Amino acid sequence: AQSVAQPEDQVNVAEGNPLTVKCTYSVSGNPYLFWYVQYPNRGLQFLLKYITGDNLVKGSYGFEAEFNKSQTSFHLKKPSALVSDSALYFCAVRDVSGGSYIPTFGRGTSLIVHP
Amino acid sequence: NAGVTQTPKFQVLKTGQSMTLQCAQDMNHNSMYWYRQDPGMGLRLIYYSASEGTTDKGEVPNGYNVSRLNKREFSLRLESAAPSQTSVYFCASSDISTYEQYFGPGTRLTVT
Repeated sequence: AQSVAQPEDQVNVAEGNPLTVKCTYSVSGNPYLFWYVQYPNRGLQFLLKYITGDNLVKGSYGFEAEFNKSQTSFHLKKPSALVSDSALYFCAVRDVSGGSYIPTFGRGTSLIVHP
Repeated sequence: NAGVTQTPKFQVLKTGQSMTLQCAQDMNHNSMYWYRQDPGMGLRLIYYSASEGTTDKGEVPNGYNVSRLNKREFSLRLESAAPSQTSVYFCASSDISTYEQYFGPGTRLTVT
């Protein structure tokens, strides 16, 4: 079975400060991990993914995420937040070696960047 | 290149009415999905189609049917709408070699 948890419903950060949106996962095999962003009244947009290789993954809009196998985490980070980063962020996991074809999504974290 | 398109954008139904939500993708993806999004529940998978000619149930299939019309199109049908089906519905597609999903803009459905 696969599952993903986003422990914070909301994250508040001041513009210019670093931001972190947390994600932890549980799989029986090897994970494929994804981050998506959803702006108001829009569909989800792919930000970045970890499949294999370097644990630090860089994605769109200056976001990056670090895969940590020992802590089963895949936190989303950005060095300097922008007001325009305010949105809903979803983490997703797919247990490829466990035979899962379909990703499981977290419940989402609302990021609010204050001017 | 429009990506994933969905129609309609908004719909209001009365309990018991039926309707079909349309989805099309122009990225030549093999796999397509239907999700519903409800506050505090995240995304829940209704049905998916791994490839043309196949469909499978997801987490919440009751009250829905799907048709994979061809490689481009994947429709979702509500045969007898219920207030519990009030939600925002998203269609998505993905390629077998890259894994990430591409989402449509959504259909906001209200059942009264």
